Amino acid sequence: AQSVAQPEDQVNVAEGNPLTVKCTYSVSGNPYLFWYVQYPNRGLQFLLKYITGDNLVKGSYGFEAEFNKSQTSFHLKKPSALVSDSALYFCAVRDISNTDKLIFGTGTRLQVFP
Amino acid sequence: EAGVAQSPRYKIIEKRQSVAFWCNPISGHATLYWYQQILGQGPKLLIQFQNNGVVDDSQLPKDRFSAERLKGVDSTLKIQPAKLEDSAVYLCASSQDRGYGYTFGSGTRLTVV
Repeated sequence: AQSVAQPEDQVNVAEGNPLTVKCTYSVSGNPYLFWYVQYPNRGLQFLLKYITGDNLVKGSYGFEAEFNKSQTSFHLKKPSALVSDSALYFCAVRDISNTDKLIFGTGTRLQVFP
Repeated sequence: EAGVAQSPRYKIIEKRQSVAFWCNPISGHATLYWYQQILGQGPKLLIQFQNNGVVDDSQLPKDRFSAERLKGVDSTLKIQPAKLEDSAVYLCASSQDRGYGYTFGSGTRLTVV
């Protein structure tokens, strides 16, 4: 069965510092991986996805993610955090069965301090 | 393009009452999903439609939840009767190309008291 794990419930970082939000995956076959962000009282907003190709994927709002097949990881990164990046971040994997639904991790709350 | 529209944004009901949520996907998107997001958890799929047919409803509590997608466009999700544990955000999403792009609505926050 496809799954993703987000080992950190919360990540704290100072504004201007680099940030990393961790995600590991378990899939059979090639993984299709996604990152979404959720602001308070809002739906999920797409940040980026990995389907195939370069291991470094660039997305919205300056975020990027590095696909690492040997470590089965897909960590979200940003070189310089902003206070406005504070939100809930979800990693997800596409189910390769005929349903193609997204399977989400439990989420990581990012808190960026001024 | 217009996004996925959901209504209402918020709903408070008493347990054992019924409630319905509405979703209008992006025009032309054949696939529609309903997810349930309980506080502190990631979204979980309740039901997936391809046009007006059900693809996956394995996680839908069918004794109290029902959903339909008339004419392959709008969809409604109903809960009858509601329980306290149904308190959650209900997210609707749509996709044009299965598995490659998903757009989510703002969700409906349901509180059952």
